[in-house]
Amino acid sequence: EDQVTQSPEALRLQEGESSSLNCSYTVSGLRGLFWYRQDPGKGPEFLFTLYSAGEEKEKERLKATLTKKESFLHITAPKPEDSATYLCAVHPTDTGFQKLVFGTGTRLLVSP
Amino acid sequence: NAGVTQTPKFRVLKTGQSMTLLCAQDMNHEYMYWYRQDPGMGLRLIHYSVGEGTTAKGEVPDGYNVSRLKKQNFLLGLESAAPSQTSVYFCASSPWGSDTEAFFGQGTRLTVV
Repeated sequence: EDQVTQSPEALRLQEGESSSLNCSYTVSGLRGLFWYRQDPGKGPEFLFTLYSAGEEKEKERLKATLTKKESFLHITAPKPEDSATYLCAVHPTDTGFQKLVFGTGTRLLVSP
Repeated sequence: NAGVTQTPKFRVLKTGQSMTLLCAQDMNHEYMYWYRQDPGMGLRLIHYSVGEGTTAKGEVPDGYNVSRLKKQNFLLGLESAAPSQTSVYFCASSPWGSDTEAFFGQGTRLTVV
């Protein structure tokens, strides 16, 4: 069964304190891995797509990396505005329809 | 640029009542999706559409129906609401399917009492 596990469930950082969020996945084949940001009361907002192991993408203070079993979202020198829930999702190759498997997210709180 | 707009934003239903959630996108996307988000669970796909006039079942379709009569609109219907359908519903659209980024609406918080 396709599965996505995100850790930690919640993370509290001080402004400027760098850290990483983890997304572990179990799929028979991977078509793509996605990172989304979700603010309270809003819909997810796209951040990155990664398609193959070794791929990396960056956007401002965020950097996403991918291996064959997991992805990391590295946050460098975070600011309070980076506080949000970060969702990971995978698009498996063994599904016959347009299915993304989402993790439950990591709630990030950055304190000034 | 409005993106993906969902109406209503909040709704309370009594068990057995029916309602329709409307999703509209102005990006000319072919693919549209309805998800539900529940505490402690990831987003789960209810139904999706790969183009005007098409619909297909997702992961949790029971108790819901959908229609895509116009490319820009995707409707989600609940014929007889149940407390288990209390959730936050998100509509999303994408230009090329689940291999590419999806644009999500703001969500509809539905409570069935």
